[in-house]
Amino acid sequence: DVKVTQSSRYLVKRTGEKVFLECVQDMDHENMFWYRQDPGLGLRLIYFSYDVKMKEKGDIPEGYSVSREKKERFSLILESASTNQTSMYLCASSPLNYGYTFGSGTRLTVV
Amino acid sequence: TQLLEQSPQFLSIQEGENLTVYCNSSSVFSSLQWYRQEPGEGPVLLVTVVTGGEVKKLKRLTFQFGDARKDSSLHITAAQPGDTGLYLCAGYNAGNNRKLIWGLGTSLAVNP
Repeated sequence: DVKVTQSSRYLVKRTGEKVFLECVQDMDHENMFWYRQDPGLGLRLIYFSYDVKMKEKGDIPEGYSVSREKKERFSLILESASTNQTSMYLCASSPLNYGYTFGSGTRLTVV
Repeated sequence: TQLLEQSPQFLSIQEGENLTVYCNSSSVFSSLQWYRQEPGEGPVLLVTVVTGGEVKKLKRLTFQFGDARKDSSLHITAAQPGDTGLYLCAGYNAGNNRKLIWGLGTSLAVNP
């Protein structure tokens, strides 16, 4: 069964901490994405990558960075966590022009 | 700018009822997808429609892509509590085949 695996389901971090969210896919997909999902705001794209070492900003990249050193792994980094980054974070992967496969999400709380 | 408008935003119905949710845009999409998301989980792809006028059926769910490829609908027959969830539509704009444009979703509750 094809999978996108996110490293943590729940995470609690303190304001100012550097936070790493990891995502691994086993489908050899070119494209990988990081979204955050908040009530009433829908899915908002943070960053995406269409190849190893390539990255493009999404709609809300401020306060985040990403790393894609290997095709199967796409990491999201919160450089200095803030309370307004409390959210559900979803990773997804897809082949070109096809549907997305999502991970189960990481619910991050910044206190 | 929200390119995909979903309606209704919320829907609460009794088991056995039929329902239709809509996904509309003023833009043309090369394809549209529907996802269902359960609480605490990631969205799961239900179907992709690519041809104007296309109709696809998935058990009690019927998906239609508008003739002009600007809108889509999802019809559920005899809804069951297991259909409860957030239904999201998403599409690829013409000329952009890398990242999806998302609607905000329709939250469906089917009561026993």
